[in-house]
Amino acid sequence: AQKITQTQPGMFVQEKEAVTLDCTYDTSDQSYGLFWYKQPSSGEMIFLIYQGSYDEQNATEGRYSLNFQKARKSANLVISASQLGDSAMYFCAMREPNSGYALNFGKGTSLLVTP
Amino acid sequence: EAEVAQSPRYKITEKSQAVAFWCDPISGHATLYWYRQILGQGPELLVQFQDESVVDDSQLPKDRFSAERLKGVDSTLKIQPAELGDSAMYLCASSIYVAGEGTDTQYFGPGTRLTVL
Repeated sequence: AQKITQTQPGMFVQEKEAVTLDCTYDTSDQSYGLFWYKQPSSGEMIFLIYQGSYDEQNATEGRYSLNFQKARKSANLVISASQLGDSAMYFCAMREPNSGYALNFGKGTSLLVTP
Repeated sequence: EAEVAQSPRYKITEKSQAVAFWCDPISGHATLYWYRQILGQGPELLVQFQDESVVDDSQLPKDRFSAERLKGVDSTLKIQPAELGDSAMYLCASSIYVAGEGTDTQYFGPGTRLTVL
């Protein structure tokens, strides 16, 4: 069963606008971690932001913030003030203790930032 | 800034040939992962090392894939013989637990893009 669901295959946003990329997850563990990675066309996975299941505040890293709604099992990524360089694939991933701490990735969302 | 190194960046081979990928993790990172990413999908774990020991290789097709990390530093992933379905991006990642961060974030290398003809 898919543990990470990203329902938006592709998204468009205009430069300088904010955009939200959706991610829902499925786990029975109480302790887990949620990550977002960016993958430009070059292929490298770039770490953006992390949210622990016990963190009470939403994580923020510069223009990236994570809207964590534990009861709904959602961990949406918000990018503020989009830039042309934000155009890339974005992957949500979950880390669970019973998976040996490897990451379970979603299928990704392709984001295109337009001028 | 420390990075995960991988080589080669691109590899084209014919089916039934042997291929090998190399990964050098960030210095001091005890945990090393190999992931395979098929076009249009997210990465999937092939094998995980803690130092020189295999922690998880349950998804590694052991009839044709092998991985080693002999001295607990760099690692090699081998496919023999390669099949058409092995065409994918092979990503290496490394991590270390940092108490202040509360987790061990995985940092990825640039990947090796394999094409099997």
